[in-house]
Amino acid sequence: DSGVTQTPKHLITATGQRVTLRCSPRSGDLSVYWYQQSLDQGLQFLIQYYNGEERAKGNILERFSAQQFPDLHSELNLSSLELGDSALYFCASSVAISTGVYEQYFGPGTRLTVT
Amino acid sequence: AQSVTQLGSHVSVSEGALVLLRCNYSSSVPPYLFWYVQYPNQGLQLLLKYTSAATLVKGINGFEAEFKKSETSFHLTKPSAHMSDAAEYFCAVSDTGNQFYFGTGTSLTVIP
Repeated sequence: DSGVTQTPKHLITATGQRVTLRCSPRSGDLSVYWYQQSLDQGLQFLIQYYNGEERAKGNILERFSAQQFPDLHSELNLSSLELGDSALYFCASSVAISTGVYEQYFGPGTRLTVT
Repeated sequence: AQSVTQLGSHVSVSEGALVLLRCNYSSSVPPYLFWYVQYPNQGLQLLLKYTSAATLVKGINGFEAEFKKSETSFHLTKPSAHMSDAAEYFCAVSDTGNQFYFGTGTSLTVIP
Protein backbone atom coordinates (compact mmCIF):
# COMPACT_ATOMS: atom_id res chain seq x y z
CA ASP A 1 0.00 0.00 0.00
CA SER A 2 1.63 3.21 -1.23
CA GLY A 3 -0.55 5.52 0.85
CA VAL A 4 -2.00 7.18 -2.27
CA THR A 5 -5.72 6.56 -2.59
CA GLN A 6 -7.88 6.84 -5.67
CA THR A 7 -11.63 6.61 -6.09
CA PRO A 8 -13.52 5.10 -7.70
CA LYS A 9 -11.69 1.90 -8.57
CA HIS A 10 -13.84 1.28 -11.63
CA LEU A 11 -16.04 3.59 -13.65
CA ILE A 12 -18.24 2.72 -16.59
CA THR A 13 -19.93 5.52 -18.46
CA ALA A 14 -21.25 6.41 -21.90
CA THR A 15 -19.76 8.56 -24.62
CA GLY A 16 -20.39 12.25 -24.20
CA GLN A 17 -20.59 12.05 -20.42
CA ARG A 18 -18.43 13.73 -17.80
CA VAL A 19 -16.68 12.01 -14.88
CA THR A 20 -14.52 13.05 -11.95
CA LEU A 21 -11.67 10.97 -10.61
CA ARG A 22 -10.39 11.65 -7.15
CA CYS A 23 -6.94 11.24 -5.63
CA SER A 24 -5.61 11.73 -2.12
CA PRO A 25 -1.82 11.92 -1.87
CA ARG A 26 0.26 10.44 0.91
CA SER A 27 0.17 12.43 4.10
CA GLY A 28 2.55 15.37 3.78
CA ASP A 29 3.16 15.04 0.02
CA LEU A 30 2.52 18.33 -1.75
CA SER A 31 2.81 17.18 -5.37
CA VAL A 32 0.17 15.24 -7.26
CA TYR A 33 0.61 13.84 -10.75
CA TRP A 34 -1.96 12.36 -13.11
CA TYR A 35 -1.15 9.73 -15.70
CA GLN A 36 -3.17 7.90 -18.32
CA GLN A 37 -2.26 4.34 -19.22
CA SER A 38 -3.77 2.72 -22.27
CA LEU A 39 -2.73 -0.34 -24.24
CA ASP A 40 -1.64 1.57 -27.31
CA GLN A 41 -0.16 4.68 -25.68
CA GLY A 42 1.62 3.35 -22.62
CA LEU A 43 1.98 5.55 -19.56
CA GLN A 44 1.28 9.18 -20.48
CA PHE A 45 1.89 12.07 -18.13
CA LEU A 46 -1.11 14.38 -18.00
CA ILE A 47 -0.57 17.08 -15.41
CA GLN A 48 1.17 17.92 -12.14
CA TYR A 49 0.06 20.07 -9.23
CA TYR A 50 2.19 21.31 -6.38
CA ASN A 51 0.50 22.69 -3.28
CA GLY A 52 -2.56 23.78 -5.22
CA GLU A 53 -0.76 25.28 -8.22
CA GLU A 54 -0.38 23.73 -11.64
CA ARG A 55 3.31 22.87 -12.05
CA ALA A 56 3.59 21.01 -15.35
CA LYS A 57 1.41 19.92 -18.20
CA GLY A 58 1.86 16.89 -20.38
CA ASN A 59 -0.34 15.34 -23.02
CA ILE A 60 -3.59 16.46 -21.48
CA LEU A 61 -6.56 17.04 -23.77
CA GLU A 62 -8.56 20.25 -23.55
CA ARG A 63 -11.58 18.14 -22.57
CA PHE A 64 -9.68 17.16 -19.43
CA SER A 65 -8.99 19.40 -16.47
CA ALA A 66 -7.65 18.97 -12.98
CA GLN A 67 -7.30 20.84 -9.74
CA GLN A 68 -5.72 20.41 -6.36
CA PHE A 69 -7.62 21.55 -3.32
CA PRO A 70 -6.34 23.18 -0.10
CA ASP A 71 -6.40 19.80 1.66
CA LEU A 72 -4.11 18.60 -1.17
CA HIS A 73 -6.48 16.08 -2.67
CA SER A 74 -6.84 16.34 -6.41
CA GLU A 75 -9.59 15.74 -8.93
CA LEU A 76 -9.28 14.96 -12.62
CA ASN A 77 -12.31 15.92 -14.66
CA LEU A 78 -12.91 14.24 -18.00
CA SER A 79 -15.69 15.60 -20.18
CA SER A 80 -17.28 14.83 -23.54
CA LEU A 81 -15.93 11.35 -23.14
CA GLU A 82 -14.96 9.31 -26.19
CA LEU A 83 -14.34 5.59 -26.58
CA GLY A 84 -10.62 6.31 -26.80
CA ASP A 85 -10.61 7.76 -23.30
CA SER A 86 -11.05 4.27 -21.88
CA ALA A 87 -7.89 3.68 -19.88
CA LEU A 88 -6.36 3.32 -16.47
CA TYR A 89 -5.84 6.67 -14.78
CA PHE A 90 -3.16 6.83 -12.13
CA CYS A 91 -2.42 9.42 -9.56
CA ALA A 92 0.96 9.71 -7.90
CA SER A 93 2.37 11.89 -5.19
CA SER A 94 6.00 12.69 -4.57
CA VAL A 95 8.22 13.42 -1.62
CA ALA A 96 11.69 14.90 -1.45
CA ILE A 97 14.16 12.25 -0.29
CA SER A 98 17.06 14.69 -0.31
CA THR A 99 17.71 18.16 -1.69
CA GLY A 100 16.32 18.24 -5.19
CA VAL A 101 15.64 14.50 -5.29
CA TYR A 102 12.07 13.28 -5.36
CA GLU A 103 10.45 9.88 -5.21
CA GLN A 104 7.01 9.07 -6.61
CA TYR A 105 4.35 6.85 -5.11
CA PHE A 106 1.47 5.62 -7.23
CA GLY A 107 -2.13 4.97 -6.36
CA PRO A 108 -3.95 1.80 -7.45
CA GLY A 109 -5.60 3.57 -10.37
CA THR A 110 -9.11 4.13 -11.67
CA ARG A 111 -10.18 2.00 -14.60
CA LEU A 112 -12.44 4.04 -16.86
CA THR A 113 -14.53 2.29 -19.47
CA VAL A 114 -16.43 4.42 -21.97
CA THR A 115 -19.15 2.56 -23.85
CA ALA B 1 15.27 17.51 -21.94
CA GLN B 2 15.20 14.24 -20.12
CA SER B 3 14.00 10.99 -21.66
CA VAL B 4 14.39 7.26 -21.28
CA THR B 5 14.42 4.49 -23.84
CA GLN B 6 13.59 0.94 -22.92
CA LEU B 7 14.87 -1.52 -25.49
CA GLY B 8 12.53 -4.42 -25.99
CA SER B 9 8.86 -4.02 -25.25
CA HIS B 10 8.62 -7.75 -24.51
CA VAL B 11 11.21 -9.97 -22.88
CA SER B 12 10.80 -13.69 -22.18
CA VAL B 13 13.07 -15.69 -19.91
CA SER B 14 12.96 -19.17 -18.47
CA GLU B 15 12.40 -19.62 -14.78
CA GLY B 16 15.79 -19.53 -13.07
CA ALA B 17 17.47 -17.64 -15.91
CA LEU B 18 19.03 -14.19 -15.78
CA VAL B 19 16.68 -11.26 -16.21
CA LEU B 20 18.08 -8.24 -18.07
CA LEU B 21 15.85 -5.28 -18.87
CA ARG B 22 17.50 -2.40 -20.66
CA CYS B 23 17.12 1.30 -20.04
CA ASN B 24 19.06 4.15 -21.57
CA TYR B 25 18.55 7.71 -20.52
CA SER B 26 19.13 11.12 -21.95
CA SER B 27 19.67 13.92 -19.50
CA SER B 28 21.26 17.32 -19.57
CA VAL B 29 21.89 17.21 -15.85
CA PRO B 30 22.99 14.44 -13.49
CA PRO B 31 19.93 12.20 -13.48
CA TYR B 32 18.03 10.40 -10.82
CA LEU B 33 16.85 7.06 -12.14
CA PHE B 34 14.11 4.71 -11.07
CA TRP B 35 12.70 1.31 -11.93
CA TYR B 36 9.06 0.56 -11.25
CA VAL B 37 7.14 -2.70 -11.52
CA GLN B 38 3.47 -3.00 -12.36
CA TYR B 39 1.60 -6.23 -11.75
CA PRO B 40 -1.66 -6.80 -13.62
CA ASN B 41 -4.44 -4.46 -12.56
CA GLN B 42 -2.24 -2.71 -10.02
CA GLY B 43 -0.43 0.58 -9.70
CA LEU B 44 3.30 1.10 -10.17
CA GLN B 45 5.54 0.06 -7.32
CA LEU B 46 9.05 1.41 -6.84
CA LEU B 47 11.67 -1.32 -7.29
CA LEU B 48 14.82 0.71 -6.83
CA LYS B 49 16.34 4.12 -7.36
CA TYR B 50 19.67 5.73 -8.18
CA THR B 51 20.32 9.08 -6.54
CA SER B 52 24.06 9.59 -7.18
CA ALA B 53 25.34 7.48 -4.31
CA ALA B 54 26.53 3.94 -5.13
CA THR B 55 26.36 3.10 -8.84
CA LEU B 56 25.14 -0.43 -8.12
CA VAL B 57 21.71 -0.19 -6.59
CA LYS B 58 19.89 -3.05 -4.91
CA GLY B 59 16.12 -3.10 -4.82
CA ILE B 60 13.30 -5.28 -3.68
CA ASN B 61 12.65 -8.87 -4.79
CA GLY B 62 16.31 -9.50 -5.65
CA PHE B 63 16.53 -6.92 -8.43
CA GLU B 64 19.47 -4.61 -8.90
CA ALA B 65 20.56 -2.00 -11.43
CA GLU B 66 23.87 -0.42 -12.31
CA PHE B 67 24.26 3.21 -13.29
CA LYS B 68 26.82 3.56 -16.08
CA LYS B 69 27.38 7.18 -16.97
CA SER B 70 29.67 6.42 -19.92
CA GLU B 71 26.93 4.29 -21.49
CA THR B 72 24.01 6.43 -20.22
CA SER B 73 22.42 3.21 -19.07
CA PHE B 74 20.58 1.91 -16.04
CA HIS B 75 19.81 -1.71 -16.86
CA LEU B 76 17.78 -3.83 -14.45
CA THR B 77 18.95 -7.34 -13.63
CA LYS B 78 18.02 -10.31 -11.50
CA PRO B 79 20.21 -13.42 -11.38
CA SER B 80 17.39 -15.94 -11.32
CA ALA B 81 13.87 -15.27 -12.63
CA HIS B 82 10.88 -16.41 -10.64
CA MET B 83 7.37 -16.89 -11.96
CA SER B 84 6.20 -14.07 -9.71
CA ASP B 85 8.48 -11.63 -11.59
CA ALA B 86 6.14 -11.64 -14.59
CA ALA B 87 4.98 -8.03 -14.82
CA GLU B 88 5.48 -4.76 -16.67
CA TYR B 89 8.64 -2.83 -15.81
CA PHE B 90 9.11 0.90 -16.28
CA CYS B 91 12.30 2.91 -16.19
CA ALA B 92 12.01 6.58 -15.25
CA VAL B 93 14.35 9.55 -15.01
CA SER B 94 13.95 12.65 -12.94
CA ASP B 95 15.71 15.95 -12.79
CA THR B 96 15.93 18.31 -9.86
CA GLY B 97 12.73 19.97 -10.94
CA ASN B 98 10.52 17.23 -9.58
CA GLN B 99 9.60 16.10 -13.08
CA PHE B 100 9.51 12.44 -14.03
CA TYR B 101 9.85 10.94 -17.49
CA PHE B 102 8.85 7.31 -18.05
CA GLY B 103 9.89 4.81 -20.64
CA THR B 104 7.35 2.87 -22.64
CA GLY B 105 7.70 -0.20 -20.46
CA THR B 106 8.94 -3.76 -20.88
CA SER B 107 6.64 -6.70 -20.36
CA LEU B 108 8.49 -9.59 -18.74
CA THR B 109 7.22 -13.13 -19.29
CA VAL B 110 8.70 -15.97 -17.26
CA ILE B 111 8.46 -19.40 -18.85
CA PRO B 112 8.21 -22.37 -16.49
